[in-house]
Amino acid sequence: SQQGEEDPQALSIQEGENATMNCSYKTSINNLQWYRQNSGRGLVHLILIRSNEREKHSGRLRVTLDTSKKSSSLLITASRAADTASYFCATDEEGAQKLVFGQGTRLTINP
Amino acid sequence: KAGVTQTPRYLIKTRGQQVTLSCSPISGHRSVSWYQQTPGQGLQFLFEYFSETQRNKGNFPGRFSGRQFSNSRSEMNVSTLELGDSALYLCASSLSLGVTEAFFGQGTRLTVV
Repeated sequence: SQQGEEDPQALSIQEGENATMNCSYKTSINNLQWYRQNSGRGLVHLILIRSNEREKHSGRLRVTLDTSKKSSSLLITASRAADTASYFCATDEEGAQKLVFGQGTRLTINP
Repeated sequence: KAGVTQTPRYLIKTRGQQVTLSCSPISGHRSVSWYQQTPGQGLQFLFEYFSETQRNKGNFPGRFSGRQFSNSRSEMNVSTLELGDSALYLCASSLSLGVTEAFFGQGTRLTVV
């Protein structure tokens, strides 16, 4: 079953622009994570935000979490061609002790 | 520190055969999880092992099984392969049980013909 649903499914922007991806989930969580996947390869962990946090930064990444709306957003600023990848949010359902991934957002950065 | 290593990277099998995939976690990591990724279903959790014991299982048939060895290396087995088992199988290792940052291998691309 899918817990997180990313929006949009695909996003295409020009290099240098900011990219925003959203994730909605259904149940209470302990934390939410974002991962990046380059075509056909493994996932790379980007950032983890705990349920008691509202915002977190890591380099050009900014993640927000709104537990009242059960949603999160990932902002990539000053995008680069190397940011082209699929981005997934993953949540842990309280008590489930497993990561549940959304379907992902396919981000394309055009030079 | 070496990352998560999955072998083989690519595999082609025939329907009805069985397959074993291997995953070596990051040194010191004791938890290994397996995921199946397909275009239609996305990333689906298969199971998690910790200290040689299966701690959590996803909604997959009994044809999918796994095990973990004392050195934390893990294997996943799929018996009586079906065309629908064609997928990218990803292994992730974590320091401990439960949901923490997961480090993924490059995956094994399994094609069933």
